[in-house]
Amino acid sequence: EDQVTQSPEALRLQEGESSSLNCSYTVSGLRGLFWYRQDPGKGPEFLFTLYSAGEEKEKERLKATLTKKESFLHITAPKPEDSATYLCAPPHLGGGSQGNLIFGKGTKLSVKP
Amino acid sequence: DGGITQSPKYLFRKEGQNVTLSCEQNLNHDAMYWYRQDPGQGLRLIYYSQIVNDFQKGDIAEGYSVSREKKESFPLTVTSAQKNPTAFYLCASSIGGPEQFFGPGTRLTVL
Repeated sequence: EDQVTQSPEALRLQEGESSSLNCSYTVSGLRGLFWYRQDPGKGPEFLFTLYSAGEEKEKERLKATLTKKESFLHITAPKPEDSATYLCAPPHLGGGSQGNLIFGKGTKLSVKP
Repeated sequence: DGGITQSPKYLFRKEGQNVTLSCEQNLNHDAMYWYRQDPGQGLRLIYYSQIVNDFQKGDIAEGYSVSREKKESFPLTVTSAQKNPTAFYLCASSIGGPEQFFGPGTRLTVL
């Protein structure tokens, strides 16, 4: 069964304190991975698509990387406005759910000024 | 502006009632999805539709029904058979691949 695990569940940082979020998965034949940001009471906002091991994508203070078994979301010098829940989601492969996303439970990031 | 709209933002239901959540998109996307989100849980897929007049059950379809009569619209009905319907419901769409874009969500509360 395909599984996605995100760690830590919650992360508290001081403004400017860099860190990384992890997304690990046991998805057979991984074909890409998606990162989303979700603010409380809102729908997830698309951040990145990573298609192959070794790929990296950047957006402002965020950088996403991908290996064969896990992905990292690196946050450099975070600001309070980066506070949100970050979700990762690889796609299902095979069977009736092919192409549908499997979502992790997310990492709730809080950045204090 | 292109995007996905969901209505209402908040919905209250009495036990035993059916309620319908609206999802509309003007992105010209072929595929649409419904998810349920509970506190501390990942998004769980309820139903999805890859094309008009066709839809498939997701992981937790029991107690829910959908229709896809128009490309732009994918309404979700939460029936009285759904035993624990209080949750945050999210609609998404995609152009056909796995990259999905989400609406703002509807929070359903059973009184």
